[in-house]
Order: sequence, then structure tokens, then C-alpha cells
Amino acid sequence: SQQGEEDPQALSIQEGENATMNCSYKTSINNLQWYRQNSGRGLVHLILIRSNEREKHSGRLRVTLDTSKKSSSLLITASRAADTASYFCAPYSQAGTALIFGKGTTLSVSS
Amino acid sequence: DAGVTQSPTHLIKTRGQQVTLRCSPKSGHDTVSWYQQALGQGPQFIFQYYEEEERQRGNFPDRFSGHQFPNYSSELNVNALLLGDSALYLCASSLGQGAGGYTFGSGTRLTVV
Repeated sequence: SQQGEEDPQALSIQEGENATMNCSYKTSINNLQWYRQNSGRGLVHLILIRSNEREKHSGRLRVTLDTSKKSSSLLITASRAADTASYFCAPYSQAGTALIFGKGTTLSVSS
Repeated sequence: DAGVTQSPTHLIKTRGQQVTLRCSPKSGHDTVSWYQQALGQGPQFIFQYYEEEERQRGNFPDRFSGHQFPNYSSELNVNALLLGDSALYLCASSLGQGAGGYTFGSGTRLTVV
């Protein structure tokens, strides 16, 4: 298993702005997953991008993956106060290995 | 379709005591992973169960043990509780090797006094 490293650790924006957070990892992956956690709650699976994909969209979310740089980014467009949460990336390396989470990016969206 | 169910939601224990946390996976899932999350930190992987066997373990002492039952539900046991064990304990379920993503429960908030 390997851990993703999210950057920045904290991000504060106004409603309507876009939020971009980045993830780096160390070794080759099968896919990379993004999760959201509202304060004190469980994590929610947002989006999964496979190693042979470069970009994926889901509603206001856009994820990119650059396997040559071993990095991914999550873009949230037109942010809302409800997007305030911590966001985690989780590289999935091989079958049978557990997801390992980093410290995440804490996003604060103010109205 | 029920998601992942964890019980209890909150628990207060005294140092030195033992605690058991329970998890029912999402319908159709057969793998259960447990995480410990201290305040302000990311979830730390404790262990994963598949086919009633511990498949992978994180860097946690033997005081942390688990079990998976034939119906795929799971228990996390912590012996000789320390103040530092106070945390949110999260259970996640997945299908097979877990490549499709995890479904998390809402967690059990354990406070050790």
C-alpha cells in the first residue's frame, strides 16, 4: 500500500470560486480515488480515475491524473459552502492492498 | 440499500478497560477495513479482513485485534485502553480486492478517560 500526499493542507475560498487540490504518490497505481469527509463523519467516495485515464468529470468535480509525474488534481468548480470538508486522495496500487490516507486538504468555503 | 453500519456511535471507557466496536458492511461487500482517526489527522489504517482472515495490518500494537464473521460483519477489539486511543474509529467495506472504492460508515467516537 502507499499513501497519497495532499497539497495544500488548508485552502480557504469564497463561494463561487474554484478550488484545486493536488495529490502526489510514489509508485505505480491501478487507480486513484478521492474522498470527502465532513467534520466528524465518515469518508464519502467522490470519484475514481484509472491509470489509463487522464481526466474524469462528475458534476462539478474534475479530476486529472498524470502518471508520469505521479500526481493527480481535484478541481471543484463554483464552490458552495456545503463543499466545506476535508478531501483525501488514495492511490490503489495492487489487488488486496488497503487504501492508506494522508492528512488531506481542509477546504473552507465562506459565503 | 443499507450502507455501512457501525455501532455504537459514541462510547466512553476508562483507561485499562477493553472495548468492542462493530461493523456491518454494505450489502454485497465482502471486505472490511478499520481505521483510527485522531482529531485533525487523516484516517490511520488498522487492519483489513477478507474471507474471515486478517489480510493486511497497519502499524498498530497487538492490543488491537479484530474478527470477521461468515456474514462479513466485523468487530474491532481494543484491550488495555490508553488515553491515546481516544479517536473516531471508521469501518469501510469494499467488494473483493477493493479496487472499486470503499464505502465508509459514520464511525464510532471512542473517548478514554
